Amino acid sequence: DIQMTQSPSSLSASVGDRVTITCRASQTISRSLSWYQQTPGKAPKLLISGASNLQSGVPSRFSGGGSGTDFTLTISSLQPEDFTTYYCQQGYNTPLTFGGGTKVEI
Amino acid sequence: QVQLQESGPGLVQPSETLSLTCSLSGGSMRSYYWSWIRQPPGKGLEWIGYVYHNGATSINPSLKSRVTLSVDTSKNQFSLRLNSVTAADTAVYYCARAEYILGETRYFFDFWGQGTLVTVPS
Repeated sequence: DIQMTQSPSSLSASVGDRVTITCRASQTISRSLSWYQQTPGKAPKLLISGASNLQSGVPSRFSGGGSGTDFTLTISSLQPEDFTTYYCQQGYNTPLTFGGGTKVEI
Repeated sequence: QVQLQESGPGLVQPSETLSLTCSLSGGSMRSYYWSWIRQPPGKGLEWIGYVYHNGATSINPSLKSRVTLSVDTSKNQFSLRLNSVTAADTAVYYCARAEYILGETRYFFDFWGQGTLVTVPS
């Protein structure tokens, strides 16, 4: 199985800050990396697929990068609704696997 | 707009079988991978497996001996059966649509159900 390691597991930030979350794969996954946002009590929402492809309707302050084993999710200017949990997911091989999550707190 | 809705019992006794169904509206089952993902309370996400519209399946090896996935395209539904459950199987179970794009992108989950909590008492 491909292990996905997110860091940090949590971070504290303020409205307007720029934050970056990192996801590392245990083996190369090309650009088969997606990012999801999950608010409490809700299903995850797809933000980015293919490492950097922003989904329709997702604000442009979100961006993704990386390839191979190292990936990033950047939020350029945190908004109040962004304080929640983010997960990465590799789609390169089954079993499909997720990172452990990063909680972004005020 | 694609919508997914899970249904099934919220309480399953130890050693029994958990059965959930996901109903699709607003889209076709063709060419997508219909998935189950679970999340224990306060923890991360675990992919259980997917069933393709033609009935082909891929199941997480960690659960393979206990999981059966099936699809009924005439009803726009797909189902999960997990047998011999224990308290460790207590989780919110999500159904989701996975899209596969040949090349670098491959699998990702673009539509999710709201999730259903299934509790297995200890």
